[in-house]
Amino acid sequence: DGGITQSPKYLFRKEGQNVTLSCEQNLNHDAMYWYRQDPGQGLRLIYYSQIVNDFQKGDIAEGYSVSREKKESFPLTVTSAQKNPTAFYLCASSIDMAARGYTFGSGTRLTVV
Amino acid sequence: QKEVEQNSGPLSVPEGAIASLNCTYSDRVSQSFFWYRQYSGKSPELIMSIYSNGDKEDGRFTAQLNKASQYVSLLIRDSQPSDSATYLCAVNVYNNDMRFGAGTRLTVKP
Repeated sequence: DGGITQSPKYLFRKEGQNVTLSCEQNLNHDAMYWYRQDPGQGLRLIYYSQIVNDFQKGDIAEGYSVSREKKESFPLTVTSAQKNPTAFYLCASSIDMAARGYTFGSGTRLTVV
Repeated sequence: QKEVEQNSGPLSVPEGAIASLNCTYSDRVSQSFFWYRQYSGKSPELIMSIYSNGDKEDGRFTAQLNKASQYVSLLIRDSQPSDSATYLCAVNVYNNDMRFGAGTRLTVKP
C-alpha cells in the first residue's frame, strides 16, 4: 500500500543537539511538506519541496534544515538553533494540493530533555 | 486577524445528534477548502473537500461553502462516539499555500 512513513515516532533531543526526522513516501508525489503542530495552534509550515533538489522556506524555517535528494525522501533536521523544538512534526505529500489536499505521515513527537 | 479561524471547543453533542463545525477565512482569493479529522496523538486524515459554493455530501458528512461570507462548515449527521476527535479546517489560498485553523475538538457522548 502507498503511503508516507515517518520515523522515529518519538524522539528525545538534548540541549545543543541536532536531530533528523525521516520522511519517506511511495505515492510518487512530487510535492512534500513539513509542518509543526503545537497545542492550541494550527499547523505551521516549516519547509516544502515541489521537486527534487529544490525546496522553499515556510513560515517558521529558522532553526530547521531540509534536503530533497530523492523524490521519495524529505528529511528534516532540527538544529540547536531551534530554541523551542518540542512539538509534533508532520510530513505531508501531495500530487495536486489545490484539488486533493495532503496525505500526512503518522508524525514524530519531539521532546527536549 | 488569523487567516483561518475555528471555535476551539470543546463541542459536545449526544450520540445520534447533528454536530456543526464552523470555519471562517480571511483571504477572499481562497480557492479550495478541506476538512481533516485528527484523533488524539494521531496525524490528520482528509475527510472532505469543497471548491464551489453550496453543499457537498459524503455519507454522514456535509461540507458547506459560502465564499461571499468567507465561511465553510462541516455537518456530521447521526454523530457517533467514534467521531470524537479534533476537526481541522484548511484553506488553499494559492498553490502550495495551505492555511490551517487550530481545530475544533468534538466530543460525542453515548
